[in-house]
Amino acid sequence: DAMVIQNPRYQVTQFGKPVTLSCSQTLNHNVMYWYQQKSSQAPKLLFHYYDKDFNNEADTPDNFQSRRPNTSFCFLDIRSPGLGDAAMYLCATSSRQAAPYEQYFGPGTRLTVT
Amino acid sequence: AQTVTQSQPEMSVQEAETVTLSCTYDTSESNYYLFWYKQPPSRQMILVIRQEAYKQQNATENRFSVNFQKAAKSFSLKISDSQLGDTAMYFCAFILSGSARQLTFGSGTQLTVLP
Repeated sequence: DAMVIQNPRYQVTQFGKPVTLSCSQTLNHNVMYWYQQKSSQAPKLLFHYYDKDFNNEADTPDNFQSRRPNTSFCFLDIRSPGLGDAAMYLCATSSRQAAPYEQYFGPGTRLTVT
Repeated sequence: AQTVTQSQPEMSVQEAETVTLSCTYDTSESNYYLFWYKQPPSRQMILVIRQEAYKQQNATENRFSVNFQKAAKSFSLKISDSQLGDTAMYFCAFILSGSARQLTFGSGTQLTVLP
């Protein structure tokens, strides 16, 4: 089945220690998104890629970076995690060509910062 | 800018009963799509139902249906014959048509189905 995969599902990191979260997709979608979701809140868009074009949300902290080496993979790098970065991180994909542009979400990575 | 409002932070319903979740939105555009996403306790966000703004007919997916009132900018979700597995956070979301615009989410409604 075509899907969005996120690894790891749970990640524990220390305060200030860089961490990388990964996302892969078999849907062959050209748009990939990273969201941060805190408890009982809606997902907050951090950035997205349209093919290789990177689009950063204005309020995304510089501490968050992303890489997309190819269509299938996308990475979220948190350079110096703070306690406030503990959250669920969701990856999503969509096809820019085909309406209705619905997004397909991965299962998420829950990040704990100690 | 588009906004999506879900005014019911929490709701509960008895198993087998019907429940309606409310959503209103604000936009000056005429071409857009609306979605309801479900996020169960396992946290994977899945699409429940979608509605194209240009369609007058309300979308239906099995036990899930919407009441789309374009003039009123209202998009409610009705769940019939509620099941325990329907317990989840439900997010209403909006996207403009025409390329990959950004999803605008509402704040969510936590639905609990009681046995």
